[in-house]
Amino acid sequence: KAGVTQTPRYLIKTRGQQVTLSCSPISGHRSVSWYQQTPGQGLQFLFEYFSETQRNKGNFPGRFSGRQFSNSRSEMNVSTLELGDSALYLCASSFLPEAGNTIYFGEGSWLTVV
Amino acid sequence: AQSVTQLDSQVPVFEEAPVELRCNYSSSVSVYLFWYVQYPNQGLQLLLKYLSGSTLVESINGFEAEFNKSQTSFHLRKPSVHISDTAEYFCAVTSRGGGSNYKLTFGKGTLLTVNP
Repeated sequence: KAGVTQTPRYLIKTRGQQVTLSCSPISGHRSVSWYQQTPGQGLQFLFEYFSETQRNKGNFPGRFSGRQFSNSRSEMNVSTLELGDSALYLCASSFLPEAGNTIYFGEGSWLTVV
Repeated sequence: AQSVTQLDSQVPVFEEAPVELRCNYSSSVSVYLFWYVQYPNQGLQLLLKYLSGSTLVESINGFEAEFNKSQTSFHLRKPSVHISDTAEYFCAVTSRGGGSNYKLTFGKGTLLTVNP
């Protein structure tokens, strides 16, 4: 079956702009989470959604937001982009948000802020 | 709070040599442990996981990891590596309780480079 699909794969934005990234989870998966990966900070948890509700949020400013739709697809938005927001943004899905459920990752969206 | 320490940021080895990638974790609660692999320009793929039972877990491509509760470690090993194993490897933990704590905490990663 198809894996976690993220769009767009690559994008370049200018400081001050906003960006929306999209994620389609594996069919049947209802939990979606987002991670930011940078060379300096590594992989950091952004937020997690289940049944259209944000249940957990990482230590990121309010410029980072997200949502989940009734079909489990998710989007994340970053407003007022800063150079430091340049990163690989990874979406992940699992069947249920229960410890031990395997979390599957997409290939990521590469964001460059100039 | 949880943390994961991967003791080596880079590990260069020759093809067919054994390798060990070290991972230690810190947590006030019981955890599940994972190893993920990331090939260049790709996302993360689950390599193996420890949930319960035997402390030695194996992957389909010859890697194995052993959970050591007393040393809070989950080191990854392979007896003979191939050039295709060149990738970055991430150790991760999550709380057993899940719920609002359902997230992975990752180490900084270990870049394994296999040379001919």
